[in-house]
Amino acid sequence: DAGITQSPRHKVTETGTPVTLRCHQTENHRYMYWYRQDPGHGLRLIHYSYGVKDTDKGEVSDGYSVSRSKTEDFLLTLESATSSQTSVYFCAISEDRGYGYTFGSGTRLTVV
Amino acid sequence: RKEVEQDPGPFNVPEGATVAFNCTYSNSASQSFFWYRQDCRKEPKLLMSVYSSGNEDGRFTAQLNRASQYISLLIRDSKLSDSATYLCVVYRTGNQFYFGTGTSLTVIP
Repeated sequence: DAGITQSPRHKVTETGTPVTLRCHQTENHRYMYWYRQDPGHGLRLIHYSYGVKDTDKGEVSDGYSVSRSKTEDFLLTLESATSSQTSVYFCAISEDRGYGYTFGSGTRLTVV
Repeated sequence: RKEVEQDPGPFNVPEGATVAFNCTYSNSASQSFFWYRQDCRKEPKLLMSVYSSGNEDGRFTAQLNRASQYISLLIRDSKLSDSATYLCVVYRTGNQFYFGTGTSLTVIP
């Protein structure tokens, strides 16, 4: 669905470099989320946002920070990428608490 | 104990078969329940919400058993296009969604 887009779709980066992933929505949804998906772990919540400048940590937030300066954009930053952060990252949006998510197409990040 | 547990499968079934997946959740305070479908190398997509009374959408039927803390998904008359991984998702207050690791289904011609 065009209502949520992630960029970049693929990225290879070196250990120790900063990386920023972008999530952009056109649905005007209040809630936005960043997940990572790894084999055997399923989807795990990194950070989420419940409004502009309102964010909170998820289950696996260490090594990640987020920012939301506009309703439509939610950025995920890896301050200093490590090989353990090699993963597929999904952004999701929802209209309200407890509502089903719409996911972006994902970003495949490889840290070498 | 994991919040949500699913049999990873794989389930390999012939076209036209009926297949059922179960999912258990550990916290009785869980409030909302969903099934998502994820195709290989794609994002998860909402398949259906699961209501206490059970609900049906075409060939798909979802059931919730709060007493036993499990959710089920039944697929009738399986199609090749049903091949995917099915994720069980549970929500409880605190903006916490918990995802199972998924059950893999392959429908064979």
